Amino acid sequence: EVQLVESGGGLVQPGRSLRLSCAASGFTFVDYAMHWVRQSPGKGLEWVSGITWNSGSIAYADSVKGRFTISRDNAKNSLYLQMNSLRTEDTALYYCAKDNILRGGLAYFDYWGQGTLVTVSS
Amino acid sequence: DIVMTQSPDSLAVSLGERATINCRSSQSVLYSSNNRNYLAWYQHKPGQPPKLLIYWASTRESGVPDRFSGSGSGTDFTLTISSLQAEDVAVYYCQQFYTTPQITFGPGTKVDIK
Repeated sequence: EVQLVESGGGLVQPGRSLRLSCAASGFTFVDYAMHWVRQSPGKGLEWVSGITWNSGSIAYADSVKGRFTISRDNAKNSLYLQMNSLRTEDTALYYCAKDNILRGGLAYFDYWGQGTLVTVSS
Repeated sequence: DIVMTQSPDSLAVSLGERATINCRSSQSVLYSSNNRNYLAWYQHKPGQPPKLLIYWASTRESGVPDRFSGSGSGTDFTLTISSLQAEDVAVYYCQQFYTTPQITFGPGTKVDIK
């Protein structure tokens, strides 16, 4: 059974940093791209960032480019999101999501975690 | 970037009736070399993570009831729930992955019971 478990969320002041983690199990982690997707309160889904299976391609939404860094540790079956210079508009539930395509690019998401809540407020 | 729009914003349908959700992309998401539309649909219920319903515009994900179907090509797409059930109350999103690495979702359509 595929499981994605996010952690690292919390309350943080504007301008500070936070690091999210996603522990994956139930599939061959090294074979799939992974993503972060967020949902701000009362808003829709927003793709944040994605990283291919071999870290050969990494991409960010314009709203986080230059502030967030995605990474993965295939030996630990883990995905990360380093979030710097946080803004109030980054407040959201952050989901870790698995890509569907085996050793492909960044595409669509077949499994999602339950999410971790990030609140940016003074 | 490709902009995704959806219509309507919300709809209410009687149990057992058909629900139709439209999604439009600002440019074609049809890749001519493989004739595939790079579009997916998700169902999102409160308190749960989103669930993949449809990919390549019309391929149903394993385990998804056959009352859900996707159609369309190029820039215009439709998600149809042929006979609405109570458990289908949710927000539905389309998502393009044509212009990867930039991925975009539509704004969502809320489906309720009339």
